[in-house]
Amino acid sequence: AQTVTQSQPEMSVQEAETVTLSCTYDTSENNYYLFWYKQPPSRQMILVIRQEAYKQQNATENRFSVNFQKAAKSFSLKISDSQLGDTAMYFCAFMKNDMRFGAGTRLTVKP
Amino acid sequence: DVKVTQSSRYLVKRTGEKVFLECVQDMDHENMFWYRQDPGLGLRLIYFSYDVKMKEKGDIPEGYSVSREKKERFSLILESASTNQTSMYLCASSFTIKQGEQYFGPGTRLTVT
Repeated sequence: AQTVTQSQPEMSVQEAETVTLSCTYDTSENNYYLFWYKQPPSRQMILVIRQEAYKQQNATENRFSVNFQKAAKSFSLKISDSQLGDTAMYFCAFMKNDMRFGAGTRLTVKP
Repeated sequence: DVKVTQSSRYLVKRTGEKVFLECVQDMDHENMFWYRQDPGLGLRLIYFSYDVKMKEKGDIPEGYSVSREKKERFSLILESASTNQTSMYLCASSFTIKQGEQYFGPGTRLTVT
């Protein structure tokens, strides 16, 4: 079974700075999807960014970008120009036949 | 926008009670999911459904059952609640299972005393 590992339970960053959240996964599959989800305090989980494994180009959504290293099975999320509203739990997820989530990283953006 | 709603944000039940958690989505999605979220464990899949009256077990189905009588509604049932079922329960829906993103409800924080 696929596993997803987020090695940083908690992180903090100063407002306007850049932070990178790590994610590694274990699979023998070649085609799959990877996601980063954001869960703000007491609010709904929403999709931040998505990456198809067959695409070599790293996905980007405004201030959010990923570093997808397929051979290393690594999928990190970079948040540029951090804002207070980025404070949330961030979950990395792997999808082949079903969705597998990491344990999450709690990110705090400090003013 | 996709909207997934859950019947309660907070719920307190006693050990042994039968508990119903309701989830409704308004985007005509085929697939619906129930997860439980616990600190340090992320989200774990309890059950999912890919069509009306169809259901599949996830990783941790023990102690739970589900019902999907209508496409938009997916219910999670705790037949006899136990304290180890105290958790956050998240419902999600998606258009496709194998590649589509999942849309989540706000969650129900269930406490069993």
